[in-house]
Amino acid sequence: SQTIHQWPATLVQPVGSPLSLECTVEGTSNPNLYWYRQAAGRGLQLLFYSVGIGQISSEVPQNLSASRPQDRQFILSSKKLLLSDSGFYLCAWSVFIRVIQETQYFGPGTRLLVL
Amino acid sequence: AQKITQTQPGMFVQEKEAVTLDCTYDTSDPSYGLFWYKQPSSGEMIFLIYQGSYDQQNATEGRYSLNFQKARKSANLVISASQLGDSAMYFCAMREGSGGSNYKLTFGKGTLLTVNP
Repeated sequence: SQTIHQWPATLVQPVGSPLSLECTVEGTSNPNLYWYRQAAGRGLQLLFYSVGIGQISSEVPQNLSASRPQDRQFILSSKKLLLSDSGFYLCAWSVFIRVIQETQYFGPGTRLLVL
Repeated sequence: AQKITQTQPGMFVQEKEAVTLDCTYDTSDPSYGLFWYKQPSSGEMIFLIYQGSYDQQNATEGRYSLNFQKARKSANLVISASQLGDSAMYFCAMREGSGGSNYKLTFGKGTLLTVNP
């Protein structure tokens, strides 16, 4: 069965510091991978999407970036964190069945607090 | 305009009773999929149920069923025989089938369900 891991689970970082969040998926090949952010009490906002190694689509321009160095690894980064980067970051994976039926499965998330 | 609207910020239900969580959507695409997710206090988003726009029957998964009314553009989640563990945030989401961003799931703002003993 497929599993998805995210770490760290919780992170407190000062403004201006760098960020690296990691997501890995097990038990599947060539998944689509996603990074979402959820602000407190809000719905999910798609940040990045990847259909393969090195292929990244950005949904929202910001000071975050994403990379996919391996098939089942997805990394979210920032060179300098802003206060507004605080939130709950969720990684998700999916496997194509047909477009409208492609179900995304989420990891446990990382809570980021920027002070 | 919002593509997914969940009008109930919070709902309360007694244990063992059924509850309906509302979701309306807005799309001009004839091909779309609707999803419901559960988010407990731990934060993980758990997939519950899926309904395709061309599906003739309402989707069911155990105690979850989706009341799909295509003409009204609504996709309400029905939870039967509520359990204390059902207390969580519930999100409705949609994927549209055509266009360049067909990978994108658009989420509603969620409904917080509290199950009372």
